[in-house]
Amino acid sequence: AQSVTQLDSHVSVSEGTPVLLRCNYSSSYSPSLFWYVQHPNKGLQLLLKYTSAATLVKGINGFEAEFKKSETSFHLTKPSAHMSDAAEYFCVVSDPPNQAGTALIFGKGTTLSVSS
Amino acid sequence: EAGVAQSPRYKIIEKRQSVAFWCNPISGHATLYWYQQILGQGPKLLIQFQNNGVVDDSQLPKDRFSAERLKGVDSTLKIQPAKLEDSAVYLCASSRDLSYEQYFGPGTRLTVT
Repeated sequence: AQSVTQLDSHVSVSEGTPVLLRCNYSSSYSPSLFWYVQHPNKGLQLLLKYTSAATLVKGINGFEAEFKKSETSFHLTKPSAHMSDAAEYFCVVSDPPNQAGTALIFGKGTTLSVSS
Repeated sequence: EAGVAQSPRYKIIEKRQSVAFWCNPISGHATLYWYQQILGQGPKLLIQFQNNGVVDDSQLPKDRFSAERLKGVDSTLKIQPAKLEDSAVYLCASSRDLSYEQYFGPGTRLTVT
């Protein structure tokens, strides 16, 4: 079965410093991996996705993630944090595609705090 | 393009009462999903529709939860009777086709007292 483990429940950074949110996955298939962000009282928004093309994936708002098969990792990074990045981040793996699409399996989330 | 709409945004009920949530997906999206997000956890899939047919409801507690998508557009999720552990945010998502990108609504926060 597919699963993801987010290694940190809470990460705190200062504005302007790098962000690293860690995620390990488990999958018996070639996985599709995603990062979603959830701001308070707002819907989940897709940051980026990996679907077996380039291993370094660029997303919105300056975020990127690197797929490392040997380490079964898909860590999310950003060179310089902004106050608006404070939110909950979810690492997600997809079930194998079925006839109707794909169910997403979410990690437990990492809360990112950004201080000025 | 309008996003996924959900209502109500908040609901408070007593245990053993019933409650219903409504979702209107993005126009033209064939696939609709309901997720349950308990505080401090990631969303968990409850049920998945393709048009008006159920594709996957393996995680739906069918003794108390039901869902329908009669005309292949909007959908309702019902809980009857509610339990304290049903307190959560219920998220609806839709996708256009077999692509993986799902678009999420703002959710309905349910509190069962």
